[in-house]
Amino acid sequence: DTGVSQDPRHKITKRGQNVTFRCDPISEHNRLYWYRQTLGQGPEFLTYFQNEAQLEKSRLLSDRFSAERPKGSFSTLEIQRTEQGDSAMYLCASSLVGEGYYGYTFGSGTRLTVV
Amino acid sequence: AQKVTQAQTEISVVEKEDVTLDCVYETRDTTYYLFWYKQPPSGELVFLIRRNSFDEQNEISGRYSWNFQKSTSSFNFTITASQVVDSAVYFCALSDPGQGGSEKLVFGKGTKLTVNP
Repeated sequence: DTGVSQDPRHKITKRGQNVTFRCDPISEHNRLYWYRQTLGQGPEFLTYFQNEAQLEKSRLLSDRFSAERPKGSFSTLEIQRTEQGDSAMYLCASSLVGEGYYGYTFGSGTRLTVV
Repeated sequence: AQKVTQAQTEISVVEKEDVTLDCVYETRDTTYYLFWYKQPPSGELVFLIRRNSFDEQNEISGRYSWNFQKSTSSFNFTITASQVVDSAVYFCALSDPGQGGSEKLVFGKGTKLTVNP
């Protein structure tokens, strides 16, 4: 197992374009989380899935953001009509229900720059 | 609501100095977890330690040590004999059960440590 993978590592896009990021969790992990980290801040929770169900969304997740985990495996995070304020590192993490926080693992992140 | 405060925004030391990074947390939960992560310039979050609220023993791992004090709601991190490779941003984080036991994390704003040769 290679851990949590995120693709792409870096993305530069023009304001108003749509972007999509992908996260592949550790294979046996049934929980998947998305966090956003802006410059000079700690990561902030956006949303999470248990299997394919999206169970919680932060108020940070505006209507332009949508996340899916169609078969309970990989997840995608789409941002529509990007704005400069969306520039951030988007981090994915996964874990196994019932293990508390043991095995909570982050990916390397996707750094989004909106120009 | 859960809250983590890292009052030190930036610290600069000379190699071989000892340095302590402070973390103060707020929670009403009786069971919780505390974490430290390192974020080098490359950006990935590197897990350093996890502590549960029932284990107040201090921990040492090589040059790293952690002091957990429930009485003061603090979980401080000390690097002994710092090295240039320790330069990074360090985050303290607290578990947040959220809705239906989401097990998300709440992070502090981080402390940027610069170790100069």
